[in-house]
Amino acid sequence: GEDVEQSLFLSVREGDSSVINCTYTDSSSTYLYWYKQEPGAGLQLLTYIFSNMDMKQDQRLTVLLNKKDKHLSLRIADTQTGDSAIYFCAEQTGRRALTFGSGTRLQVQP
Amino acid sequence: GAVVSQHPSRVICKSGTSVKIECRSLDFQATTMFWYRQFPKQSLMLMATSNEGSKATYEQGVEKDKFLINHASLTLSTLTVTSAHPEDSSFYICSGFLNEQFFGPGTRLTVL
Repeated sequence: GEDVEQSLFLSVREGDSSVINCTYTDSSSTYLYWYKQEPGAGLQLLTYIFSNMDMKQDQRLTVLLNKKDKHLSLRIADTQTGDSAIYFCAEQTGRRALTFGSGTRLQVQP
Repeated sequence: GAVVSQHPSRVICKSGTSVKIECRSLDFQATTMFWYRQFPKQSLMLMATSNEGSKATYEQGVEKDKFLINHASLTLSTLTVTSAHPEDSSFYICSGFLNEQFFGPGTRLTVL
C-alpha cells in the first residue's frame, strides 16, 4: 500500500529558510500536497503540485518534486514565528483519499 | 476555494452514548466525502469513504457498526459514533471531493 514518511521535528531560527522533506512510495500519485496544522485546529492547504511538475513556487513557499526518487520537499523562505506548526505532506492517486505523512513539527525560534 | 463545514466543532459525551458529527459542503456538491481520524500527535488516518446514495466503504480495522456513515444528500454526510468509549476520543475530520479534497475544520470528540 501507499506509505508517506516525514522527519518528525525541525527547528530553525526566525529569518532562516526551512526545508521539510517527505518521501512516498506510490509511483502512480497524481497530486502531492502540503498542509499546515496549528495546535487544536484543522488542516490548511498550503500548496500542491501535479506529479508531472518538478517545481512550484508560491510567494515564500517552494515545492520541489523528484519523481524518480519519490521525494518531495517544502522550502519556506524567511521563516517567521507564525510558521510554527505541524506540516503534513500527502499524496493522492486518482479520486482516492489522501495518504498523509506523519507530520513534521516546525519550531521557529526568535 | 470550496468550503466544507463540520458540526459540532467540539463535543464531550459520556461513555456509552452516541454522537453524531455532520459534514457539509457549503458551495459545491460532493458525491464523495472522506472521514479521517487523528489521534493526538499522530497523522490523519482514513476511516471511510462516503458515497452519496450508497453504502460507505470502510478501511481495514474500522468497525462499520460502530462508526455509522450516512451520505443522504450531495451536501451532507454524517458520522455517528455509537456507544462511544474513551478510546474513541479523537479529532475527526471530513473532506469533500471536487477535483481536489477540501477539508472541514474538524470535530474534537472527548468521551469521558
